Amino acid sequence: NAGVTQTPKFQVLKTGQSMTLQCAQDMNHEYMSWYRQDPGMGLRLIHYSVGAGITDQGEVPNGYNVSRSTTEDFPLRLLSAAPSQTSVYFCASRIKGGDSNQPQHFGDGTRLSIL
Amino acid sequence: AQSVTQLGSHVSVSEGALVLLRCNYSSSVPPYLFWYVQYPNQGLQLLLKYTSAATLVKGINGFEAEFKKSETSFHLTKPSAHMSDAAEYFCAVSDVHDMRFGAGTRLTVKP
Repeated sequence: NAGVTQTPKFQVLKTGQSMTLQCAQDMNHEYMSWYRQDPGMGLRLIHYSVGAGITDQGEVPNGYNVSRSTTEDFPLRLLSAAPSQTSVYFCASRIKGGDSNQPQHFGDGTRLSIL
Repeated sequence: AQSVTQLGSHVSVSEGALVLLRCNYSSSVPPYLFWYVQYPNQGLQLLLKYTSAATLVKGINGFEAEFKKSETSFHLTKPSAHMSDAAEYFCAVSDVHDMRFGAGTRLTVKP
């Protein structure tokens, strides 16, 4: 009963490096999302996807790319890391994008530090 | 756009005392509201949700929340705090393509 799985759990990058945060869910959920969590600001939506092949921007999309080639996977790419992207990143999923009365299920997060 | 505001970034209670965590929402339509709990170095876990079926919602671990439209509030309560309740709590309002979170309230439970 894995739910939402994120890898890696921790990562340190240098400014300008690129990397991909992985997210996979085994619940056959159509909707997946990426949030960043910063102290005193709660969680803010970066990108989301309502199904394979469909992605859209959230509240704070700059500096991040996503793709959704399968229902299960929703990777988040940092093309050129900046110190302002130091944060904790959470991937989440729910049954369908339109089912806003359903909760989202969260992974355990990736703690990312940009030096 | 819908939003939530959590009043109080830190709340401290004694073990056995009442827990009250405050959340107010802003929405032009009937909202779908959620409370999540986050333990250190973990993801968010659903405590309870309000989806208009009943104004008093019971969740896990003895928590409950009451939806009050007249006060635009959805406060989280627990009659008797336990040491294991120490965590950060987030109120959230759900939209079709987004879930907006409050800034969070860190609950400390003193022995």
